[in-house]
Amino acid sequence: GAGVSQSPRYKVAKRGQDVALRCDPISGHTALYWYRQSLGQGLEFLIYFQGNSAPDKSGLPSDRFSAERTGGSVSTLTIQRTQQEDSAVYLCASSYRPGTGANTEAFFGQGTRLTVV
Amino acid sequence: GQQLNQSPQSMFIQEGEDVSMNCTSSSIFNTWLWYKQDPGEGPVLLIALYKAGELTSNGRLTAQFGTTRKDSFLNISASIPSDVGIYFCAGRPIIQGAQKLVFGQGTRLTINP
Repeated sequence: GAGVSQSPRYKVAKRGQDVALRCDPISGHTALYWYRQSLGQGLEFLIYFQGNSAPDKSGLPSDRFSAERTGGSVSTLTIQRTQQEDSAVYLCASSYRPGTGANTEAFFGQGTRLTVV
Repeated sequence: GQQLNQSPQSMFIQEGEDVSMNCTSSSIFNTWLWYKQDPGEGPVLLIALYKAGELTSNGRLTAQFGTTRKDSFLNISASIPSDVGIYFCAGRPIIQGAQKLVFGQGTRLTINP
């Protein structure tokens, strides 16, 4: 696709419900990142994929959070037993390759705004 | 862990004024990126910097990768209303294996007509 696509754009979940957030990266991009942005805050790193593997998942806040990537493309971030503090915008980004230098720039999707009530 | 200090946190300027913001880190970074985020949207990449001392322009925007590799600045000349938004710096730490981008807390730019 032309850009990073995330779905749904908005999600309202009842506390305790599981949610799955989807990210379609730019075609051909091997690296994929998930970030979380609370209201008025900066971006908090969650997890990074290279291909289908996740060499860095250090930002996942608890074991209720998990993510997978299949076929080196689509990624799903799953939050189990959602809590109110999970409310935030979840942003996905992709880059053509990891490392440094040209073609490592990360391009972001529009995000999924999650509200837990 | 690595942290980025971005300043100022907010700016209130008149249309036509020049803007300057910067980011500093406690450790060496090998990449600096500057993003702009509009309400309800994801960050949009403005400028990418990969070499110490590199100075890059994109229209009215100019950014530099500091020679110490621990800082970067972004300048906007002759601001216009569409420049309003939140600007984020992001850097990739040089620690081996580090791939994630670390973000600053953002600079919120408001322009008075």
